[in-house]
Amino acid sequence: SAVISQKPSRDICQRGTSLTIQCQVDSQVTMMFWYRQQPGQSLTLIATANQGSEATYESGFVIDKFPISRPNLTFSTLTVSNMSPEDSSIYLCSVGGILNEQFFGPGTRLTVL
Amino acid sequence: AQSVAQPEDQVNVAEGNPLTVKCTYSVSGNPYLFWYVQYPNRGLQFLLKYITGDNLVKGSYGFEAEFNKSQTSFHLKKPSALVSDSALYFCAVRDANYGQNFVFGPGTRLSVLP
Repeated sequence: SAVISQKPSRDICQRGTSLTIQCQVDSQVTMMFWYRQQPGQSLTLIATANQGSEATYESGFVIDKFPISRPNLTFSTLTVSNMSPEDSSIYLCSVGGILNEQFFGPGTRLTVL
Repeated sequence: AQSVAQPEDQVNVAEGNPLTVKCTYSVSGNPYLFWYVQYPNRGLQFLLKYITGDNLVKGSYGFEAEFNKSQTSFHLKKPSALVSDSALYFCAVRDANYGQNFVFGPGTRLSVLP
């Protein structure tokens, strides 16, 4: 299984600012995924990031709010822009396994004041 | 569209007793089914999956799940619960015909009482 790290592990931010979350994988992967887990809720897919192409966003998520970079096969970033308290969530990245499962990073816990 | 239901928000079981966490799903094509566990302040850990083959699949930490196509269910089970099994459990489905997108259920909080 892939080993995935995320930075930062948690942050407290002011309304109107932006935060960039990093996701690093210990092996090369084609697809990386970004999820949001709002307090007490399940996971919701934000977007799928393929290296060398634009990210594909799910309904309800837009690039201006959640820009994603995927500069190589082991790294991706998600930016949460112009934050509001409603953006307070855990943000998780994941990668697809060879046998169809997904492996998740430890998550970034974001609190917006 | 894919969907997953976990009908119980909370399951309580005594240590040593068998546990079941329920999951039903809806997909238009063939389902790939997964169970994940989330401990407090941790990411999701993969437990087990059903892709094809035997309906009973065994996974990590003594957990198993049974795929029932007629009932569109994939319940998670363990013969003897441990206090350390207390966590949040998520069922997820992927439609084999529609790429890599997972849909997660709402989660079930399992409490194993000593």
